[in-house]
Amino acid sequence: AQRVTQPEKLLSVFKGAPVELKCNYSYSGSPELFWYVQYSRQRLQLLLRHISRESIKGFTADLNKGETSFHLKKPFAQEEDSAMYYCALAGANSKLTFGKGITLSVRP
Amino acid sequence: GAGVSQTPSNKVTEKGKYVELRCDPISGHTALYWYRQSLGQGPEFLIYFQGTGAADDSGLPNDRFFAVRPEGSVSTLKIQRTERGDSAVYLCASSFGRGLNTGELFFGEGSRLTVL
Repeated sequence: AQRVTQPEKLLSVFKGAPVELKCNYSYSGSPELFWYVQYSRQRLQLLLRHISRESIKGFTADLNKGETSFHLKKPFAQEEDSAMYYCALAGANSKLTFGKGITLSVRP
Repeated sequence: GAGVSQTPSNKVTEKGKYVELRCDPISGHTALYWYRQSLGQGPEFLIYFQGTGAADDSGLPNDRFFAVRPEGSVSTLKIQRTERGDSAVYLCASSFGRGLNTGELFFGEGSRLTVL
C-alpha cells in the first residue's frame, strides 16, 4: 500500500520568513514524489517532482529515503505563495496518491 | 481544448438518483484518472485508465460507482442510487502515461456533486 502523510493542516508565516511543508510517505518500492499546488480559484497543478531536482518558484524538495520524507522548502516566502499544497506519491502502477494537503498563508 | 474539461461544473441531485459526470482529457493523453475530493481532504483516487481499459479501479468505493472510456478519450463516471455521502468534488486528470511523465497530471476544474 502507498500512503502520504502531511501532518499539519495550516502554516501561517510572514512574508520573507522561511517555509517548510512536511511530507512523509510509506511505500515498499521506489517511489516518485511530487508536490502539487492549488492557488485560489485555480486548478490543481504540478509544482515540482523529486526526479527533476529542480527549484520552482524558489521551492525545493529533497527526497530522504532514510526518513521517508519529502519536505517542501522555501527560504523566503512571498504573499503569492499562499495556496493549498499537496504532497503526492506515484508507485510502479502509475497511481498517484495524495496527502490531505496543507494551507500555506503568507501574511504581508 | 487547451486543458481537461469537465461537465457539469455543478450538479445537484436527490438521494437515490443516477448521475453521470463527463471528462474530456487533453488530446493525446493516454492516461485518465478520476479522483474525489471531500471538504478538507486531499484528492482520493478512484480509477485510472490507460487507453480504453481500467488499469486500476481499486479506489471505487462500491459497485454503485462505475466509469468508462470506450474510445480512449472521453470518460464518464457513473454513480447509481446516489447517497448524501457521495457529495464531493469529482476531479478528472489526464497525463501522457508511463515513463518520466508519469505523475504529472493535468487536472480539470472538477464537477461539484451535491446529493440532497
